[in-house]
This record gives sequence, structure tokens and C-alpha cells, in this order.
Amino acid sequence: QVQLVESGGGLVKPGGSLRLSCAASGFTFSDYYMSWIRQAPGKGLEWVSYISSSGSTIYYADSVKGRFTISRDNAKNSLYLQMNSLRAEDTAVYYCARAYGDYDEFFDYWGQGTLVTVSS
Amino acid sequence: EIVLTQSPGTLSLSPGERATLSCRASQSVSSSYLAWYQQKPGQAPRLLIYGASSRATGIPDRFSGSGSGTDFTLTISRLEPEDFAVYYCQQYGSSPPTWTFGQGTKVEIK
Repeated sequence: QVQLVESGGGLVKPGGSLRLSCAASGFTFSDYYMSWIRQAPGKGLEWVSYISSSGSTIYYADSVKGRFTISRDNAKNSLYLQMNSLRAEDTAVYYCARAYGDYDEFFDYWGQGTLVTVSS
Repeated sequence: EIVLTQSPGTLSLSPGERATLSCRASQSVSSSYLAWYQQKPGQAPRLLIYGASSRATGIPDRFSGSGSGTDFTLTISRLEPEDFAVYYCQQYGSSPPTWTFGQGTKVEIK
């Protein structure tokens, strides 16, 4: 069955960096576009970034552009999110999600999430 | 940028009752690009409805979606105990690609 398992979250000081990973299994990872989506404590969902199956097409939300970098390693069935210059408002649970649909417009499978806390 | 506004914020109902959740877009959205998700405490969201009215794999038929343009609705025909959760609508915008969520509607036990 499809599984997405995030890791790498933790406590980091403002201005610091963190790298999140998402290990995929149960499907042909290299066939699917993927995204990172976050949820601040007690708040709603916010899309963060998207990457095509080959990694050649990438998009970011304005709130993270220039600070976050999405990447993938299809040989390792893994998705990554490098987060630099972290701010308190980046505190959230970060989910990786598989894109679904003719234009990858929905997310049909999600990981359990990893918590990132940015605080001094 | 399209903004999705969900109402009500909280819906207090009893098991067996019908739930009607609204999602209004700030400008017209293609119904092909509108989805609904369910999220329970401590869990990841789960895709319920895509293309405004198509149920995702394994979703019971008590869940249905409808709407077009700027107004979309998620209906749960008869609430089961496991349906009490937060529900989010989501739309996809293509130029440039963005994915936007509503702020959520909590369905709680009355």
C-alpha cells in the first residue's frame, strides 16, 4: 500500500536551517509529482512547494520562495525540503503528499507529518 | 489569488443528521479543480471528493459534493460517529500553479 513517511523535523532557532525528508513506498515514486503542505498549530492547511516527477518543474508558495528548496531522489524514492532562514511563522507540521489528477490538482495520499518548531 | 471561504466555521449536529458544508470562492473556479478533504485530530488529511463531485477511492456514498462557479457544497447525508472531523475545500489554480485551501469547517457532536 502507498506509504509516505516524513522525518527531519525538530526545534530550530530563528534564522536556522532544517532538512525534511519523505520516504515513499508502495507505488512507483518516479511516476508521480509531489508536494509539501504545512499546517501551523491549530490552523488550516497551506501548500508550500511542488515538484514534477523528474524534478525539472518546481513551484513555491510566495511565503517560502527564496528560503526553501524542494528536491527529490527517484533512485532512493525520497522527497526533500531544505528550509533556510527559518522564521517563527514557519512553525508547523509539514506533510508530504502525492499529487493526483490530470493536472496534479489534488493530493490523494499524505504522510503523517513532521513537526517543525522555530523558536529561540 | 483565489480565496476560499468555508462556512459555517463549526457545525454542531447529532449522529444520523445531515451535514451541509459550504465553500465559496472569491472568483470562479473550474469544478474540475475543486476538492474536499477530511482531517481528524492528530491525523493527516484524507481526500474525500475531487472534481467537485467525484468520490475518492473507498469513500462511502453518504459523502457527496456539488456546485460550480464560486459556490460548492459538501453534503454528508447521515452522520456517522467517525465523520466528526474538520473538512477543508481546496482548489487548483493553473497560472501559475497554486493550490489553495479554505480555512476549514469543524463538524462536532451536538
